Amino acid sequence: DQQVKQNSPSLSVQEGRISILNCDYTNSMFDYFLWYKKYPAEGPTFLISISSIKDKNEDGRFTVFLNKSAKHLSLHIVPSQPGDSAVYFCAARTDSNYQLIWGAGTKLIIKP
Amino acid sequence: NAGVMQNPRHLVRRRGQEARLRCSPMKGHSHVYWYRQLPEEGLKFMVYLQKENIIDESGMPKERFSAEFPKEGPSILRIQQVVRGDSAAYFCASSPAGQFDNEQFFGPGTRLTVL
Repeated sequence: DQQVKQNSPSLSVQEGRISILNCDYTNSMFDYFLWYKKYPAEGPTFLISISSIKDKNEDGRFTVFLNKSAKHLSLHIVPSQPGDSAVYFCAARTDSNYQLIWGAGTKLIIKP
Repeated sequence: NAGVMQNPRHLVRRRGQEARLRCSPMKGHSHVYWYRQLPEEGLKFMVYLQKENIIDESGMPKERFSAEFPKEGPSILRIQQVVRGDSAAYFCASSPAGQFDNEQFFGPGTRLTVL
């Protein structure tokens, strides 16, 4: 039972344009969502998070949007840079559980 | 300030052997989490430990797998009598005290290959 789904295994975006990575979840008890970035042969690195009391959180070029009614969140990267090429994981947890439930990841490729 | 360290980075074992994976958390972190990532999948929680205590091992298989985090030294994930299905990347993460509001910092992982 996949509670967190990232339906696009890969995404290719031109440098300088906007990258939009999507994530859907099924558990309405999730109230904290995180995005991690992972380069090959490295561990995931925390990127940005959002609490369910918000619908938007912004940090520099990265913005995460949360639509609770649709159980959907997205990560926007603008402008996209070559160094953004990586696998992006969406993860979620409930208020009372530290366990992170992870999506399968989306491989983002930024084309020069 | 060194990050989370894991060794070995790559481990090859034959079926039936034992695998020992080590994790040294970041300085000042007393909470350790182990995750497993199978190919084409996200990370799956295995076990959560504090010093000398297993807090939650609900994600760890009941047989052949064990974990510890001694008072001194790294956390160890031990897999006995490995099988081909154990081949995966095993990631360790650490966080400071307080498990809900703190970000988890990940190590580079150990890639286990079972022949």
